[in-house]
Amino acid sequence: KQEVTQIPAALSVPEGENLVLNCSFTDSAIYNLQWFRQDPGKGLTSLLLIQSSQREQTSGRLNASLDKSSGRSTLYIAASQPGDSATYLCAVRGGSEKLVFGKGTKLTVNP
Amino acid sequence: ETGVTQTPRHLVMGMTNKKSLKCEQHLGHNAMYWYKQSAKKPLELMFVYSLEERVENNSVPSRFSPECPNSSHLFLHLHTLQPEDSALYLCASSQGVRTGELFFGEGSRLTVL
Repeated sequence: KQEVTQIPAALSVPEGENLVLNCSFTDSAIYNLQWFRQDPGKGLTSLLLIQSSQREQTSGRLNASLDKSSGRSTLYIAASQPGDSATYLCAVRGGSEKLVFGKGTKLTVNP
Repeated sequence: ETGVTQTPRHLVMGMTNKKSLKCEQHLGHNAMYWYKQSAKKPLELMFVYSLEERVENNSVPSRFSPECPNSSHLFLHLHTLQPEDSALYLCASSQGVRTGELFFGEGSRLTVL
């Protein structure tokens, strides 16, 4: 059974700092991995999708990497801004085709 | 309208009521999903529809009944719910169930009294 873990559960940084969010998964037989952002009381916004054959994806200040063999992904946020404050969720789609989510990392960027 | 739209955004119901949640996607996708998000728990997949056929029923109680009349619309019919069913219910869609990127709606916040 696939399990997804996100560490840390919460992170507080000053504005302008570069930061890394971590995601680990137990079963490396995956189709893809997706990073989402969720603001309080809102739905999920897709940030980046990495297919199993890819090593990384970039969108603006965001860069996500995937290392299937070690069961890890990282989301790098450059030059963080207060508007980046949200909960970031990692989700992995495996052989069962279910998307399994981690519990998320709550990020606070202080002005 | 763009993306995935869910209505109502908020719903309060008693345990004996019958209500429905509606989801509509304007992305031309062929797969739709219902997820449940409870406090301090990861998102839980409830149902998956691909090409309007249910392909996944993740051991969800029968008091939740999904309906997918076409590839753009998905409903979740609710009856005789319990207070522990109070949660944020999220609808999503994708192109394909294996490799497609998921796009979510804003969710329907359900409170069962």
